[in-house]
Amino acid sequence: EIVLTQSPGTLSLSPGERATLSCRASQSVSSNYLAWYQQKPGQAPRLLMYGASTRATGIPDRFSGSGSGTDFTLTISRLEPEDFAVYYCQQYGSSLLTFGGGTKVEIK
Amino acid sequence: EVQLVESGGGLVKPGGSLRLSCAASGFTFSSFSMNWVRQAPGKGLEWVSSISSSSNYIYYADSVKGRFTISRDNPKNSLYLQMNSLRVEDTAIYYCARAPFSPNWGQGTLVTVSS
Repeated sequence: EIVLTQSPGTLSLSPGERATLSCRASQSVSSNYLAWYQQKPGQAPRLLMYGASTRATGIPDRFSGSGSGTDFTLTISRLEPEDFAVYYCQQYGSSLLTFGGGTKVEIK
Repeated sequence: EVQLVESGGGLVKPGGSLRLSCAASGFTFSSFSMNWVRQAPGKGLEWVSSISSSSNYIYYADSVKGRFTISRDNPKNSLYLQMNSLRVEDTAIYYCARAPFSPNWGQGTLVTVSS
């Protein structure tokens, strides 16, 4: 099983600031099959990125994904009020899928 | 419009059973693998199980292997999760989602295991 470790656990930032979220895998993620989701309280997750760097439909370009192998990053270039939420990475390069523990982006 | 509607959750005692259903619409269900993903109260997302489009390939998380069974009925556009020998730690919202990653999620169905 590939273990995904997200850091930091909580990110305290102000609107307009840049957010950098990390997702590290315990072994290489095949074909960079890594997705990112956003989840707000009481809501289902929302797909942001797949294939490590491809934005899902309707996702604004302030969200970008990068990385390969075992180290992946989600960057939000300028935080909007609606971006404060919890973010999860998920690998799908293995038959046994796994999610990271999440990073909460909160208003400073 | 893609819709995934989960049902079948509820309150059950430890050791009991439940069968969850997911009704899919708005896409060619029979062409996609599907997942069950759960989220315990206040916790993160946990993948539970996957099934391929023709049910040829089925996978389970270690935490549910031997207790849960995933299945699907393509003519009915439906996904199922039979949950047996339920434990308190199985308490969670259960979501069905397209595999391997999902642009669409249902609202989930809450399973509470408690005596």
